[in-house]
Amino acid sequence: DSGVTQTPKHLITATGQRVTLRCSPRSGDLSVYWYQQSLDQGLQFLIQYYNGEERAKGNILERFSAQQFPDLHSELNLSSLELGDSALYFCASSVARGPNYGYTFGSGTRLTVV
Amino acid sequence: KNEVEQSPQNLTAQEGEFITINCSYSVGISALHWLQQHPGGGIVSLFMLSSGKKKHGRLIATINIQEKHSSLHITASHPRDSAVYICAVTGNQFYFGTGTSLTVIP
Repeated sequence: DSGVTQTPKHLITATGQRVTLRCSPRSGDLSVYWYQQSLDQGLQFLIQYYNGEERAKGNILERFSAQQFPDLHSELNLSSLELGDSALYFCASSVARGPNYGYTFGSGTRLTVV
Repeated sequence: KNEVEQSPQNLTAQEGEFITINCSYSVGISALHWLQQHPGGGIVSLFMLSSGKKKHGRLIATINIQEKHSSLHITASHPRDSAVYICAVTGNQFYFGTGTSLTVIP
C-alpha cells in the first residue's frame, strides 16, 4: 500500500456519460497530480493541485475537470465520455508544490468506455 | 518528435545480467524521474535526479545534464525486476518516455 488511495479501481460506463474518480493523497502530502495512461498515448500529465489550488495544467481536455478539497482529497470529473477516454487514470501525491520532488502513485482507476 | 526517447523499447535478459536502459530528452528540465510499472499496472517512483548519480540497492541512475541523457542500470538482475521502466522529465511541463519493457528470465 503506497498510501495514495484511488477509487474506484475499475469503472465501466457508456459513451456520453459522466464519471468521477477520487484520490486521497498520502498523509502529509499537499500536491495531487493526475495522469492518463492509454495504450496509444502512453502516460500523459493532466493537472496538478497544491493545497486546494490548481498549480499546473497539462493535456487535459475541456470535458475533464478536477478539484482538490479542503481535506486534500481530489476528484477528477470526466464528462461526455468517448471511447478514446478508456485508459488507466493515476493520481500521485507529493509533499511539495514544485515538480522536483518524489512522487507516490496510487494504484490507478481503469476506465472502460463502451 | 517525442520530447523524451527511451531505448531499448524491449529488453530480455538472463537472471544475473547487468542491464542498462537509456533516456534522452530534448527539452530544458529541472528534474528527471525513473518510474517502474509492474504488469498489474501499479507505478512506483524509483529515482528523482537533477544531477549526478543515485543508487538504491541494485539500481543506479545517472544523469548528464549537458548531454541531456540519463541511464538506469540494474545490477545482478532478477525476475522480479521484470516491469516497464519509464523515464519522465519535469520542467515547464511533464513529459514521459514510452517505456522500456524488461523481462528477466530465470
